[in-house]
Amino acid sequence: QKEVEQDPGPLSVPEGAIVSLNCTYSNSAFQYFMWYRQYSRKGPELLMYTYSSGNKEDGRFTAQVDKSSKYISLFIRDSQPSDSATYLCAMRKGLTGGGNKLTFGTGTQLKVEL
Amino acid sequence: GAGVSQSPRYKVAKRGQDVALRCDPISGHVSLFWYQQALGQGPEFLTYFQNEAQLDKSGLPSDRFFAERPEGSVSTLKIQRTQQEDSAVYLCASSFDRGLNTEAFFGQGTRLTVV
Repeated sequence: QKEVEQDPGPLSVPEGAIVSLNCTYSNSAFQYFMWYRQYSRKGPELLMYTYSSGNKEDGRFTAQVDKSSKYISLFIRDSQPSDSATYLCAMRKGLTGGGNKLTFGTGTQLKVEL
Repeated sequence: GAGVSQSPRYKVAKRGQDVALRCDPISGHVSLFWYQQALGQGPEFLTYFQNEAQLDKSGLPSDRFFAERPEGSVSTLKIQRTQQEDSAVYLCASSFDRGLNTEAFFGQGTRLTVV
């Protein structure tokens, strides 16, 4: 079993919909949680970064972390066709040194249709 | 440069051939990571450098894989005697790692196809 589980999709939604993306993890040593967006044939780019349990909002994006359930979510409001990409959850155990290496989920492929 | 630069972008190798993949990190970034991303999967950690020191190579899948960063800047990932299962996108990431500035920036990757 992988340390980080993520539904690969694909997920198809109409423009303007609220999108919910989720990951679960098994290792309680993970302390820092990230969401990356990856367009086709590009490298991942950081969208959201959270440390503690709770919510963090940035524009149309909200990240939630529930450490007690080992569950993280990303919500996208008013989704746009330009949001069509693969969304990767990632987590790490520390801030520096070897703890900085990321463990990724499989990625969820999202398509926002006009 | 403005971002992490990887070359070549695409590489086709015949099975058994040796390949070398280059990563130019963001100037001044202390940490450098290599990840392998198979089709339809998330990136998997390969190895980590802090300056020129390779501190973690636990993700390298076999002794055919070798990475170096001799002057603490540019890094090269070398794969000897390539096999079909080595076909993947190889991503390089770098981070500054000072204080709270620990965001990892990724390059566009090198897509390796072994035929």
